[in-house]
Amino acid sequence: NAGVTQTPKFRVLKTGQSMTLLCAQDMNHEYMYWYRQDPGMGLRLIHYSVGEGTTAKGEVPDGYNVSRLKKQNFLLGLESAAPSQTSVYFCASSSGTSGFIAKNIQYFGAGTRLSVL
Amino acid sequence: QQQVKQSPQSLIVQKGGISIINCAYENTAFDYFPWYQQFPGKGPALLIAIRPDVSEKKEGRFTISFNKSAKQFSLHIMDSQPGDSATYFCAASLQGGSEKLVFGKGMKLTVNP
Repeated sequence: NAGVTQTPKFRVLKTGQSMTLLCAQDMNHEYMYWYRQDPGMGLRLIHYSVGEGTTAKGEVPDGYNVSRLKKQNFLLGLESAAPSQTSVYFCASSSGTSGFIAKNIQYFGAGTRLSVL
Repeated sequence: QQQVKQSPQSLIVQKGGISIINCAYENTAFDYFPWYQQFPGKGPALLIAIRPDVSEKKEGRFTISFNKSAKQFSLHIMDSQPGDSATYFCAASLQGGSEKLVFGKGMKLTVNP
């Protein structure tokens, strides 16, 4: 099993450009999450989804949009990139429906390192 | 508003020593407290987790101690090894819908041989 796959792994954008980060999971998980990780700031939740066709805002949603048209995919979009969005982005998924222990485990992808110049 | 506060920010220990990472939370409704381990260039991975109805959980060299009244929990790594060198995040979540995690800022552990 691949688990959670993120593409691309690296990307450099110019201010104002747009891009989409793709997250794919093959574990049939209901819940998916997008985080950003910045030095000294830990992991901060951007948006999340509790099922196909649903999305919700997290802690730092401004400047980002998401879509979950298929259960296995969760897309993160930057419409007009800003230098403040330079970060490492992580996608995660969890089952959401299994027993207490299993449903709470979030499985992370390897991350996308994004630089906005 | 930071709901989970983690300390210290970094720690250096010798091989065989004990590593201790502390976290404090504010929201008394949190009911699940995991620790995640992250190696350079990788995504975080669950290390160990605890629910507030127990005061301690041990898995191998890793132990979580939980103090509900003080709203604090800690990770103890016994017999620390160079392979334990990583960044450790504590987190908390509120059950019943999205199981969103609120993470601490992380602690970089270096274990010298």
